[in-house]
Amino acid sequence: DTGVSQDPRHKITKRGQNVTFRCDPISEHNRLYWYRQTLGQGPEFLTYFQNEAQLEKSRLLSDRFSAERPKGSFSTLEIQRTEQGDSAMYLCASSLWTAPYEQYFGPGTRLTVT
Amino acid sequence: KQEVTQIPAALSVPEGENLVLNCSFTDSAIYNLQWFRQDPGKGLTSLLLIQSSQREQTSGRLNASLDKSSGRSTLYIAASQPGDSATYLCAVRRMDSSYKLIFGSGTRLLVRP
Repeated sequence: DTGVSQDPRHKITKRGQNVTFRCDPISEHNRLYWYRQTLGQGPEFLTYFQNEAQLEKSRLLSDRFSAERPKGSFSTLEIQRTEQGDSAMYLCASSLWTAPYEQYFGPGTRLTVT
Repeated sequence: KQEVTQIPAALSVPEGENLVLNCSFTDSAIYNLQWFRQDPGKGLTSLLLIQSSQREQTSGRLNASLDKSSGRSTLYIAASQPGDSATYLCAVRRMDSSYKLIFGSGTRLLVRP
């Protein structure tokens, strides 16, 4: 068990391009969360899944954002038509439904939109 | 709407000093409160979790307290070391089925040798 992994760790893209991030949770963790952290701020909740079902989405998740968790395993977060304001660290966390307080965070994907 | 505030935003202390980080939250309807450490450019490491029914938790040189009625928590670090330099984040877990965390903006700590 190597913990929560995220790929890529860094992504630089030009404004208007689409980007996709991947999160691999700890094996058998059925809950998966996405958070966004801008410079100098704490993480903000974006969305979460229980198995493959997306149960809640924050108002921060505009129409340009979409998240999926096919088969309840890894998850992807796609941002379409990126804007400079999307520059942030995107953090993924996972937990067991039976131990919801024990959320384990991945190292994050740092997105820079130029 | 739950809001979490951390004071101070930044702190610089000499090695060996004891220090206190503060966290306040506006809605006392929480499951628990959690303190995290974040090193530059890295993910989050959980330090301490205090259930809403508890008053404090201790781990090594760290002690966290919780006063839910007043919406306050403190993280006490004893005998600080340069390796403690990091950003410390306070987060509350809302009392709903999502168990999502609501974070403060953190305190950036620098412990000078």
